[in-house]
Parts: sequence; C-alpha cells; structure tokens
Amino acid sequence: SQQGEEDPQALSIQEGENATMNCSYKTSINNLQWYRQNSGRGLVHLILIRSNEREKHSGRLRVTLDTSKKSSSLLITASRAADTASYFCATDGGSGYALNFGKGTSLLVTP
Amino acid sequence: EAGVAQSPRYKIIEKRQSVAFWCNPISGHATLYWYQQILGQGPKLLIQFQNNGVVDDSQLPKDRFSAERLKGVDSTLKIQPAKLEDSAVYLCASSYTGVVGYTFGSGTRLTVV
Repeated sequence: SQQGEEDPQALSIQEGENATMNCSYKTSINNLQWYRQNSGRGLVHLILIRSNEREKHSGRLRVTLDTSKKSSSLLITASRAADTASYFCATDGGSGYALNFGKGTSLLVTP
Repeated sequence: EAGVAQSPRYKIIEKRQSVAFWCNPISGHATLYWYQQILGQGPKLLIQFQNNGVVDDSQLPKDRFSAERLKGVDSTLKIQPAKLEDSAVYLCASSYTGVVGYTFGSGTRLTVV
C-alpha cells in the first residue's frame, strides 16, 4: 500500500518563484526520499533525508523532516521551466527495504 | 556508468494475451525491484530480488504475474493473461546492497485493450 501522501496534487507557478510540496506518511521510517519524474520517463533520485535529520540542502532543493508529525516538505527555490515534472516522496525502513511512494505532486513552471 | 535498461519501451496487447518485460540492472547492483505505476499514481512495489532470491513479492498478483532473476543479473516480468487494469508503466530499479536510493529505468508502458 502507498505510504506517503503529497500535497498539493498539482501546483502551477511562474519561473523564479519557489515551489513547496508536502508529504505525509503513516508509519515509522528510516529514511525519506524525494524523486522527480518527467512525463513518460523513469524516476530520478533527488535527495534523501534520514529519520534523525531535520533539514537537508542540495543545490536549489531544501528538504525538511518532522518525524513527530510524520511529514516532510520539499522546497525548490528559483524554479525553472525545466523543473516541470511530478515529484514523489518515498519512505523506507532502511537499506534492503523497498520504497513506499506517495501519489505525487504535479509541478508546472511557466516561463 | 550505464543506467538500468528496460525493454520494450511500449507494448500494446489485447486482454487475455501474454506479455513479458525485460530489465538489465546496473552492473554490481544486487538488489532489483519491479514497480507498477498506474496513471496518476505513485509506483507500487510488485517484487524485490536480492541477487536471484525473492525478498518481497507480497503485492505481486501471483495468479497472473510472475518474475524471475536468473543468475542474479537480468530479470523478466511476465503477465499471463493480461487484464485491462494491468495498463500501467512497469518500472525496474536497482541498487547496491546496503545503499538506500535506487536507479530507475525508463520503464515499459503497457496498454491493454
């Protein structure tokens, strides 16, 4: 069964704006990951945050994790048209465990 | 480093027909996964292999789906017979043992008519 639930389901912004996506999950996790999927393509790993971390940065990406609320957020700063894609959060119980994906947020960035 | 290879990219079949998908993981990746992604949803795990052994196939509809990973490298996923609700993208992913974070293939888009 799917673990995460992303919010919003769809997001439309203009280039240069920031995009924030949220993810909630139900059970205890070891790690939470964010993936991007361009239309008709496979998923690309963006960033991983461990359950003992609260915030992580990678380039224009900022991820936060609140294990007490079982939620995470992904912030994309200074968005570009090339950021247009679906974004999924995925949780796991540690290495060797499969990922449980949410339904994703569809992001549209217009020039 | 070559990525995860999947074939075919697209497949259209009639219901009750059979279909097979192939996956070649990244060299050295012991763990291989097959996911099903229905349009508008996130990927759902079908089966997980560690080398050539099955780790988790609890969500695989075993009455019609089967998968194997001979010699712990390539893997095939088969559907027989296909149903309309099997229309989806089938994604293969692989990872090193003990490493969290997969590499996904581009997927096979199956349409059952």
